[in-house]
Amino acid sequence: AQSVTQLDSQVPVFEEAPVELRCNYSSSVSVYLFWYVQYPNQGLQLLLKYLSGSTLVKGINGFEAEFNKSQTSFHLRKPSVHISDTAEYFCAVSTYNTDKLIFGTGTRLQVFP
Amino acid sequence: DAMVIQNPRYQVTQFGKPVTLSCSQTLNHNVMYWYQQKSSQAPKLLFHYYDKDFNNEADTPDNFQSRRPNTSFCFLDIRSPGLGDAAMYLCATSSAAQGGEQFFGPGTRLTVL
Repeated sequence: AQSVTQLDSQVPVFEEAPVELRCNYSSSVSVYLFWYVQYPNQGLQLLLKYLSGSTLVKGINGFEAEFNKSQTSFHLRKPSVHISDTAEYFCAVSTYNTDKLIFGTGTRLQVFP
Repeated sequence: DAMVIQNPRYQVTQFGKPVTLSCSQTLNHNVMYWYQQKSSQAPKLLFHYYDKDFNNEADTPDNFQSRRPNTSFCFLDIRSPGLGDAAMYLCATSSAAQGGEQFFGPGTRLTVL
């Protein structure tokens, strides 16, 4: 079975500062990894995904993430955040033999002016 | 644009009064999901359809039912809503070719009075 851990429930940061949201996973088989963003009263929007290939993945809105197999991590980074990045961020994992996504508990990113 | 549509966006019902939420998709994906999401929590999978095959999660209450009359549409029926069923309900779709990525609708916010 797979599991996802997002250790930080909230991350406060000032505008234009860099940010890293942490995600660790557990799985006995190869995984696909995802980061989704959710703005208030909206659905989840895909930021980026890792399926295979290059371990550095670039997504929308200037976000990127690096797949680290040895550390079983998929941390999300942005070099300079904006007020508009304030939202809930979910890390998720799936595998080749399942239709389901396993979500982490989410990290609330709060960007202050 | 291909998308996942949920109607209505906001639904108010009375305690014990049956309610139906709808989801449609123009992506032609063969898998459709229903999630329940409560405040500050990750989405919780209720059930999903792989084509016409219905897959219920073990902990989904019997009060929740679903119908998928064709590829494009899927319905969530709550037979006797309780106060604890107030939540955001998210519909999502995926196809085998997408490597596990799910595409989410904007959600329906259900209020139970």
